[in-house]
Amino acid sequence: KNQVEQSPQSLIILEGKNCTLQCNYTVSPFSNLRWYKQDTGRGPVSLTIMTFSENTKSNGRYTATLDADTKQSSLHITASQLSDSASYICVVGGYSGAGSYQLTFGKGTKLSVIP
Amino acid sequence: DGGITQSPKYLFRKEGQNVTLSCEQNLNHDAMYWYRQDPGQGLRLIYYSQIVNDFQKGDIAEGYSVSREKKESFPLTVTSAQKNPTAFYLCASSRQGANYGYTFGSGTRLTVV
Repeated sequence: KNQVEQSPQSLIILEGKNCTLQCNYTVSPFSNLRWYKQDTGRGPVSLTIMTFSENTKSNGRYTATLDADTKQSSLHITASQLSDSASYICVVGGYSGAGSYQLTFGKGTKLSVIP
Repeated sequence: DGGITQSPKYLFRKEGQNVTLSCEQNLNHDAMYWYRQDPGQGLRLIYYSQIVNDFQKGDIAEGYSVSREKKESFPLTVTSAQKNPTAFYLCASSRQGANYGYTFGSGTRLTVV
C-alpha cells in the first residue's frame, strides 16, 4: 500500500530560526514529490514539485530535497517568519497496482513560529 | 486573475438532506478533483474528472455524486447516504499530465446539525 509518513507531527520554533521537516514514502513506482503549505481553514498552496531526476528545489526561503533511493524528502525553512505558521503537507505522485496515476497525501506537519 | 473558487465557505446540513458544493475554475485546466480533509488525516480523493462529461470514483466516493457538464465547473453533491459528512472539502484542478501541480480552492466546511 502506498504511504507517506511525515515527521514531526508538530513543531514550535522561534521567529528567525531554521527548521527541517521530514517525509518518508513507500509509493512505487514513483513519479513526483510535492510540498504544500496549508494555512488553517484554507486550501493547500504548492511550494515545490520534484521529479525523480531532481534532488533539490528552492522557492524563496523554502528548499526541498529528494533522495529517491532512500525514498526520503525534507523541506528546509530558512529564517522563519510568523507567516510560516501553517501545516506542511508532503504529497507523492505514483502509480497504483492497476496502473492508474494517483497522489498519496501525508498527514502534514503543523509548524508554529512564535515571536 | 486565474483561480479556483469554492462556495460556500461554510455550509450546514440537516440529517437526511442533500447539499451541493460549488467549484469553478478559470485556469483552463482539463482535470478537476474533489478531496475530503478530516482532522489528523491526509486528504482523501472523492471523485475526479479528466474531461468534460466524464468522471471517476476516487477512494471514498460512497455517498457523494458529481457532474462535469462544463470544463470550468465540477459541483459535488453530498447525499443523505453519506453517513459522516462533516468535514472540510477541497476542490482542485490541474493540467493533464502526472507532473503538473494542483491548484486548490479555499475549501468548504460542511457541518451536519
